[in-house]
Amino acid sequence: EAGVAQSPRYKIIEKRQSVAFWCNPISGHATLYWYQQILGQGPKLLIQFQNNGVVDDSQLPKDRFSAERLKGVDSTLKIQPAKLEDSAVYLCASRLSYGGLSQETQYFGPGTRLLVL
Amino acid sequence: AQSVTQPDIHITVSEGASLELRCNYSYGATPYLFWYVQSPGQGLQLLLKYFSGDTLVQGIKGFEAEFKRSQSSFNLRKPSVHWSDAAEYFCAVDNNDMRFGAGTRLTVKP
Repeated sequence: EAGVAQSPRYKIIEKRQSVAFWCNPISGHATLYWYQQILGQGPKLLIQFQNNGVVDDSQLPKDRFSAERLKGVDSTLKIQPAKLEDSAVYLCASRLSYGGLSQETQYFGPGTRLLVL
Repeated sequence: AQSVTQPDIHITVSEGASLELRCNYSYGATPYLFWYVQSPGQGLQLLLKYFSGDTLVQGIKGFEAEFKRSQSSFNLRKPSVHWSDAAEYFCAVDNNDMRFGAGTRLTVKP
């Protein structure tokens, strides 16, 4: 079974530029998550989708971050414009089921490492 | 406020020695509890999880964890560490909102 795929793996941009990350979850997984992991910290949830609907985006900085999952499969996360403090690893994860609290495992992709200069 | 605390930022153990990584949480009810491992440049891999029932849970790679409700703890243990266990370890709780601790970096001395 293929895992969660993410691209690119690395990205270097200058501040005020735009950047987009792509995630392809495990086939059939209804729930998709984007996390931000700043160096030395644990992952922080940015946004959660169930199919193509947003469940939780309370920690997403909406003035510069946006995400979509138009067909309920792949997802993109965009930052526009980027700031220095956005330098982090952006992790995508997926889970089979619907619903909030679930006993099913979240599977993580390898992440996209972003450096903003 | 809900929180997950991993008190140890960095731990060094000798290969073959035992290991215990600490995790404490602050939630109103018992959340679902997880331990993940992250090797450099890799995503997070689930080691084990606790939902209910037996408070001692077994995971992959010889790891186990014990849930102690009275102490709000979910410490990870391994009786004999291997050099390949060197990585970052994250405790996480899910109470309709997955939250991770800051992580503990494990170094294994030969």
